[in-house]
Amino acid sequence: KAGVTQTPRYLIKTRGQQVTLSCSPISGHRSVSWYQQTPGQGLQFLFEYFSETQRNKGNFPGRFSGRQFSNSRSEMNVSTLELGDSALYLCASSLEGARGLAFFGQGTRLTVV
Amino acid sequence: AQRVTQPEKLLSVFKGAPVELKCNYSYSGSPELFWYVQYSRQRLQLLLRHISRESIKGFTADLNKGETSFHLKKPFAQEEDSAMYYCALSGSNYQLIWGAGTKLIIKP
Repeated sequence: KAGVTQTPRYLIKTRGQQVTLSCSPISGHRSVSWYQQTPGQGLQFLFEYFSETQRNKGNFPGRFSGRQFSNSRSEMNVSTLELGDSALYLCASSLEGARGLAFFGQGTRLTVV
Repeated sequence: AQRVTQPEKLLSVFKGAPVELKCNYSYSGSPELFWYVQYSRQRLQLLLRHISRESIKGFTADLNKGETSFHLKKPFAQEEDSAMYYCALSGSNYQLIWGAGTKLIIKP
């Protein structure tokens, strides 16, 4: 079974630009969660999607948004990028009912300059 | 409030010494607790979960409801154990609540 795939692996963007990150979950997994990981803040939950609906949301500004498609693939978008958005963005997928058993992608390293 | 606390940001021990990574939680109900590990340049992955009551890579963790703790232990540390360790709790709305993480360094 293929693992969780995130693209691209690395991104460099300029302040004010927007960015879209993609996540393909493990086949059969309908839940996709997004996290921001930084050395200072650790893992910060962004949002979770299940069956194309946002089920949970963390405490991030509205510049951070996401969506999920019918094939469970998910995208997250960050608009009006700020320097502080530089981080590793992780996606995790899980089976419905398998609470806590999350499978992570390798992440997208976003650098805002 | 649902919360997971890992009091140590960094833990450094010598190879062969015992390791204990602390995790305390706050949750009203029956918690499901997990330890995840992230080795250098590898993806975050599940290490163990409390309901399995198993030992993975020599690590064990026992849920202590009285002390609301789920500490991760290993009797003899190995250099390959050096990694970032996260404790997580599965909340009532399917969301994982994460601790801040503990960086474990095993000194040769």
